[in-house]
Amino acid sequence: DVVMTQSPLSLPVTLGQPASISCRSSQSLVHSDGNTYLNWFQQRPGQSPRRLIYKVSDRDSGVPDRFSGSGSGTDFTLKISRVEAEDVAVYYCMQGTHWPRTFGQGTKVEIK
Amino acid sequence: EVQLVESGGGLVQPGGSLRLSCAAFGFTFSTYEMSWVRQVPGKGLECVSDISSSGTTMSYADSVKGRFTVSRDNARNSLYLQMNSLRAEDTAVYYCARIGRTSRAPNCWGQGTLVTVSS
Repeated sequence: DVVMTQSPLSLPVTLGQPASISCRSSQSLVHSDGNTYLNWFQQRPGQSPRRLIYKVSDRDSGVPDRFSGSGSGTDFTLKISRVEAEDVAVYYCMQGTHWPRTFGQGTKVEIK
Repeated sequence: EVQLVESGGGLVQPGGSLRLSCAAFGFTFSTYEMSWVRQVPGKGLECVSDISSSGTTMSYADSVKGRFTVSRDNARNSLYLQMNSLRAEDTAVYYCARIGRTSRAPNCWGQGTLVTVSS
């Protein structure tokens, strides 16, 4: 299985400041169809996961533009340009290129 | 409104069986691949099983292969997970998820149903 490794696992951030989460895969996520199926999910306390980003950098409908995704191959990043109180959550990267789909361990974003 | 509603969770003894259901609303269920994803409380996420839109192709994580069976009834807009030979390590919240047509990833999740395997 493809191992997804996130860092950091805990990220205290000051309101209004940027935040960045790294995700690395144990093998390339470039699919034979040319797409890279790397996704980011947000899970707020007590809620189901919600997808924010798909195919590395495409934002889902309704996702604020302060969230952005980047990267290629095996290295990917989720950035929050200015953290707001509602962004307190655990963030997971997930690859959909290879079966089984696998998730990172999660990064807990909290307010300092 | 797109909605997925799971049911069927509960307490079961090791070695026992349970059948989870997921009712889909607000979209053309028969045209989407569907998935079961589980989460041990307070821990990470694990994809358990996938089923194609037609129900003819199923995939399983190694951890459940041979014990779990995924199925669907497109006429009833429903997804199922038959879980047999349950183990303590199967204790988790089980989410039903819709897989995006072009993204190969869940783009809609249910609220989850808790399965507890314990004597």
